[in-house]
Amino acid sequence: EAQVTQNPRYLITVTGKKLTVTCSQNMNHEYMSWYRQDPGLGLRQIYYSMNVEVTDKGDVPEGYKVSRKEKRNFPLILESPSPNQTSLYFCASSVWIGVSGRGLQFFGPGTRLTVL
Amino acid sequence: QQQVKQSPQSLIVQKGGISIINCAYENTAFDYFPWYQQFPGKGPALLIAIRPDVSEKKEGRFTISFNKSAKQFSLHIMDSQPGDSATYFCAALFQGGSEKLVFGKGTKLTVNP
Repeated sequence: EAQVTQNPRYLITVTGKKLTVTCSQNMNHEYMSWYRQDPGLGLRQIYYSMNVEVTDKGDVPEGYKVSRKEKRNFPLILESPSPNQTSLYFCASSVWIGVSGRGLQFFGPGTRLTVL
Repeated sequence: QQQVKQSPQSLIVQKGGISIINCAYENTAFDYFPWYQQFPGKGPALLIAIRPDVSEKKEGRFTISFNKSAKQFSLHIMDSQPGDSATYFCAALFQGGSEKLVFGKGTKLTVNP
């Protein structure tokens, strides 16, 4: 089954304790991205990756790191989490559609993070 | 310049009615406009999308209307059903292959039986 998986699905941690949220896709997609979703703010892009070893900042990258060493994986790293990073996080990957060359993103199930 | 403004924030419709959600943008660098549907506890799922050189796209009960000159686009859900109750996000994709996607803030749709 084609899918984007995230782990963990739920995480409660404390301020300053480094954590990693994993994201993996089995569709051989080149493009992957991380979003956070907050009430009233919708989805905001954190980082994205056009391909292996190619990453770039989205709209809200502060406090986050990413890496793309393999095509299928795109982990999100919070080196020193703070309470304002409490949020619902989504990973997405993209498939190109036909000759137009535009990607349409498929989202993972989400990771609910609470930082105390 | 990167914003996509979505309205209303919430919408209540009776079964069988038409649900209409509106979005507006400023940046002409956007060149693809998808809509996503999100059920509680799930990730957003692509519903329908349109390019700005098309004024309307229909897929089943879902229709996107696009007004390029006004920089506005809308989602119409015909014959709305209780199973359509979800949060809907409009989005805009930057041209040039960056795949940067900007979302509206979402509309929570409730369809009463």
